Amino acid sequence: SQKIEQNSEALNIQEGKTATLTCNYTNYSPAYLQWYRQDPGRGPVFLLLIRENEKEKRKERLKVTFDTTLKQSLFHITASQPADSATYLCALASNFNKFYFGSGTKLNVKP
Amino acid sequence: DTAVSQTPKYLVTQMGNDKSIKCEQNLGHDTMYWYKQDSKKFLKIMFSYNNKELIINETVPNRFSPKSPDKAHLNLHINSLELGDSAVYFCASSQDGTGAKNEQFFGPGTRLTVL
Repeated sequence: SQKIEQNSEALNIQEGKTATLTCNYTNYSPAYLQWYRQDPGRGPVFLLLIRENEKEKRKERLKVTFDTTLKQSLFHITASQPADSATYLCALASNFNKFYFGSGTKLNVKP
Repeated sequence: DTAVSQTPKYLVTQMGNDKSIKCEQNLGHDTMYWYKQDSKKFLKIMFSYNNKELIINETVPNRFSPKSPDKAHLNLHINSLELGDSAVYFCASSQDGTGAKNEQFFGPGTRLTVL
């Protein structure tokens, strides 16, 4: 069965630095990959979507890469701020509308 | 003007009881979902409806029964609650049935605790 791995350990970085989060997957060939942000006690909020034929996507301070050979997506937040502290989830889907989520990586941005 | 709303936010009940969680979206979306997030934070899809029709039904005990009276509502009824049902349940919606392409909008979640 498919497996999606995100670093379960929290990522601690200093304000202003670039945060890089990893999403690895096995036994799956997703057509789409999405990244979500989840704050404590709240539902996930969509951030970015990238398709299998796209290498990179950007939105303001966010950048996502998708390497289908390595079966990996990297999520970057440049010029990080304490307000970026949250748990970030990756979600993979085929063309059949079914999403598989990773367990998320908690990001702590320290002032 | 909440996009996806769920009630109740918290639900504490005894084993063996039957309970329902309601979900409504005012986004005009065609597709709605139920997810379960366990203590390890894994978010697992349970059901998906498109225009009131069931399109995804994961391996979920048949004690869980979704109902979609119209495309703006997707309720979840759970019979004979068990300890292992304790989790946070999220409702979500997306613009159309090709949810893989579209972002999902999540509700605030319902924390279910079974004692």
